[in-house]
Amino acid sequence: DVKVTQSSRYLVKRTGEKVFLECVQDMDHENMFWYRQDPGLGLRLIYFSYDVKMKEKGDIPEGYSVSREKKERFSLILESASTNQTSMYLCASTPSGALSGAFFGQGTRLTVV
Amino acid sequence: AQKVTQAQTEISVVEKEDVTLDCVYETRDTTYYLFWYKQPPSGELVFLIRRNSFDEQNEISGRYSWNFQKSTSSFNFTITASQVVDSAVYFCALSGQNAGNMLTFGGGTRLMVKP
Repeated sequence: DVKVTQSSRYLVKRTGEKVFLECVQDMDHENMFWYRQDPGLGLRLIYFSYDVKMKEKGDIPEGYSVSREKKERFSLILESASTNQTSMYLCASTPSGALSGAFFGQGTRLTVV
Repeated sequence: AQKVTQAQTEISVVEKEDVTLDCVYETRDTTYYLFWYKQPPSGELVFLIRRNSFDEQNEISGRYSWNFQKSTSSFNFTITASQVVDSAVYFCALSGQNAGNMLTFGGGTRLMVKP
């Protein structure tokens, strides 16, 4: 059974903290993505990576960075968490080449207080 | 730039009713893919269907059907004889000719099916 796994389901962090959200996929996919989901706004792309050590900005990269040191792992980093980063974060992966449906993790609901 | 619009933010129906979720998209790409995803209360997005821009045939899978009309840039999703288990948020998404198969999502439609 193919899987995208996010390290935490729920997180509560304080303003100014450095936050790491981890995502691991076991499908040997080249492409990995981080989205945030907010009511009425759907899913918005933060960053994506199409290869190890490669990263591209999505639509809303401000306040975030990413790391992809290994093919299976894609980390989202909030350098200094702020309350407006309270959201649901979703990780996804797809293989390269054919445009197949993305596989999503279960999501991390982050609350910044 | 790509854009996906789901004008219906919330729909409420009674079980066994048919319901159609609308999706309108914008893209300059000549080759693109359209998707529908379901997000149940558990939170994980579940892939339902992919349709490429060259295939305008409608598709039916059990109680689900999809109507792709290039002329109106629409990719609507119909659930026939809805059930309580269909209650979820449904997202329409678009992927064009870009690196990494990046998906652009609509705002989602919350469907509530009441018994």
